[in-house]
Amino acid sequence: RKEVEQDPGPFNVPEGATVAFNCTYSNSASQSFFWYRQDCRKEPKLLMSVYSSGNEDGRFTEQLNRASQYISLLIRDSKLSDSATYLCVVLNTGKLIFGQGTTLQVKP
Amino acid sequence: DAEITQSPRHKITETGRQVTLACHQTWNHNNMFWYRQDLGHGLRLIHYSYGVQDTNKGEVSDGYSVSRSNTEDLPLTLESAASSQTSVYFCASSRRRDNEQFFGPGTRLTVL
Repeated sequence: RKEVEQDPGPFNVPEGATVAFNCTYSNSASQSFFWYRQDCRKEPKLLMSVYSSGNEDGRFTEQLNRASQYISLLIRDSKLSDSATYLCVVLNTGKLIFGQGTTLQVKP
Repeated sequence: DAEITQSPRHKITETGRQVTLACHQTWNHNNMFWYRQDLGHGLRLIHYSYGVQDTNKGEVSDGYSVSRSNTEDLPLTLESAASSQTSVYFCASSRRRDNEQFFGPGTRLTVL
């Protein structure tokens, strides 16, 4: 079993849709959690840090459930510019463990 | 502005050659990391350093080495390049071990 698992998608949604990405992690001692965004052939960029549940940053909301070892990212009112791969990332003993990413394609 | 840079951005080399990829950051971060990204595997940690003269092996360290002689740089060396090392390589840095990491633009390496 992979340490961080994500549904690879792709998720194809129309502009304005709400879309949710889920992620599970296997190590209950994981300390911190992040969502990164990666555009095609570019470097990953930090989208949100997940320190507690339900934080919002504009159209983006993260959810953390430590008991179920589950993280989610909700994107509301999707824009064409949201098309990218979203990486779920877990921090264990100073090292980041990456999920394989979920691809989102927002269509007009 | 502080930043993290990698060079070269693209490199084609031959099997058996030694290759060094450069990573330079101006944030004065103690922690630096090297990853490779391949289809089907996501990002995998190669080597990392928590400070000058400190280096540690990651998940996929065989065939790679790093050295840390100053805070700003962590060069990655492929001692004898193999076709299996064809990949995109990302360098990253962080201020603290429990902080998010910031990534360089990547180096696309092809080994023929």
